[in-house]
Amino acid sequence: KAGVTQTPRYLIKTRGQQVTLSCSPISGHRSVSWYQQTPGQGLQFLFEYFSETQRNKGNFPGRFSGRQFSNSRSEMNVSTLELGDSALYLCASSPALGDRVGYTFGSGTRLTVV
Amino acid sequence: AQTVTQSQPEMSVQEAETVTLSCTYDTSESDYYLFWYKQPPSRQMILVIRQEAYKQQNATENRFSVNFQKAAKSFSLKISDSQLGDAAMYFCAYRSALNAGGTSYGKLTFGQGTILTVHP
Repeated sequence: KAGVTQTPRYLIKTRGQQVTLSCSPISGHRSVSWYQQTPGQGLQFLFEYFSETQRNKGNFPGRFSGRQFSNSRSEMNVSTLELGDSALYLCASSPALGDRVGYTFGSGTRLTVV
Repeated sequence: AQTVTQSQPEMSVQEAETVTLSCTYDTSESDYYLFWYKQPPSRQMILVIRQEAYKQQNATENRFSVNFQKAAKSFSLKISDSQLGDAAMYFCAYRSALNAGGTSYGKLTFGQGTILTVHP
């Protein structure tokens, strides 16, 4: 069974641009979460989606947004990119909200803002 | 808010030996889940082991086991018979089991991580 797929693997953008990252969860998983990983701040929760609705949001500015489609695939968007947005963005999926078994992560998208 | 602390930025172990990674957390909740994730250079976070707070028995997965001390809010990971493939960054993570108005689902709070080096 395929794992969590994130595309693209690497991305280089210019300050001020916007970017969209994609995440396809494991088949049958309906919950998708996003995390930002940086050397300075570590892993920080961005948001979680379930049944096309945002259920939980971390402490990030409004430039960070996301959505989930009816097939559970999710995208996150960052507008007006800043240098500090350079990070590894990880997506995780789980069968349901608050699932006991934990989350399965993808390999991430490495975003570099120049 | 919950916090997770990993006090060991780096640890090393000889192949076939045993190593213990430390994790402490702070919470006022009584029901929650704790996880250890491994992140090798491939970047993918891999679930190593999980513990449900209401279970007193320590979780075990093959060579990996935990020492869960709920009163002390401690959750250490023991890796026995260490292998070269165990080398990675290890993260301890906390997740609430409560639905505080739907805001607690899913959010994992991570520690800063421990880099584990395994020497042949």
